[in-house]
Amino acid sequence: GAGVSQTPSNKVTEKGKYVELRCDPISGHTALYWYRQSLGQGPEFLIYFQGTGAADDSGLPNDRFFAVRPEGSVSTLKIQRTERGDSAVYLCASSLTGQVSYEQYFGPGTRLTVT
Amino acid sequence: GDSVTQMEGPVTLSEEAFLTINCTYTATGYPSLFWYVQYPGEGLQLLLKATKADDKGSNKGFEATYRKETTSFHLEKGSVQVSDSAVYFCALSDRPGANNLFFGTGTRLTVIP
Repeated sequence: GAGVSQTPSNKVTEKGKYVELRCDPISGHTALYWYRQSLGQGPEFLIYFQGTGAADDSGLPNDRFFAVRPEGSVSTLKIQRTERGDSAVYLCASSLTGQVSYEQYFGPGTRLTVT
Repeated sequence: GDSVTQMEGPVTLSEEAFLTINCTYTATGYPSLFWYVQYPGEGLQLLLKATKADDKGSNKGFEATYRKETTSFHLEKGSVQVSDSAVYFCALSDRPGANNLFFGTGTRLTVIP
């Protein structure tokens, strides 16, 4: 079956612009996670959704970052007033539930470059 | 706070050599521990996991044992193959019901024939 998909695969934007990154999780997965991976680093947790609600947004770096999952499936990560330091690969993962016994399946990521 | 420290790479080995990639962790609770792998051109995928002390995770010939006394979860394989060339990430989760993963920086392994 289909895995986690993310669009676009690459996004180049100018400093100060607004961007939206989309994640389509595996069908039926209630838990959805966003991570950010900077060059040479491991993924860094941003936000976790259980269903439609953000159960943990403690990883969002500041209020320029926001994410939604209005129908409990597709999620959008929104970044306002982008800065060069936001350049990274943004990863989405989903799992059947949020419990640790359920594997997280990762998408291929969106590479964001802020010029 | 929670953190994972793993052996810096890159690591280059000949085929059939023994592999160890060290991973130690800091956590406030009783975390679950994971190894993820990223093959060239592919997304992250779970390699193995252990959810409590003394558990051993294993998959594809790789093993790691959860050692609470040394706060470690070292990855080992007895005989590596060229197809094992990838970036390996150690990770932990210590939030019950919310499997937020904290990752190490990754170790790039290259296996040469």
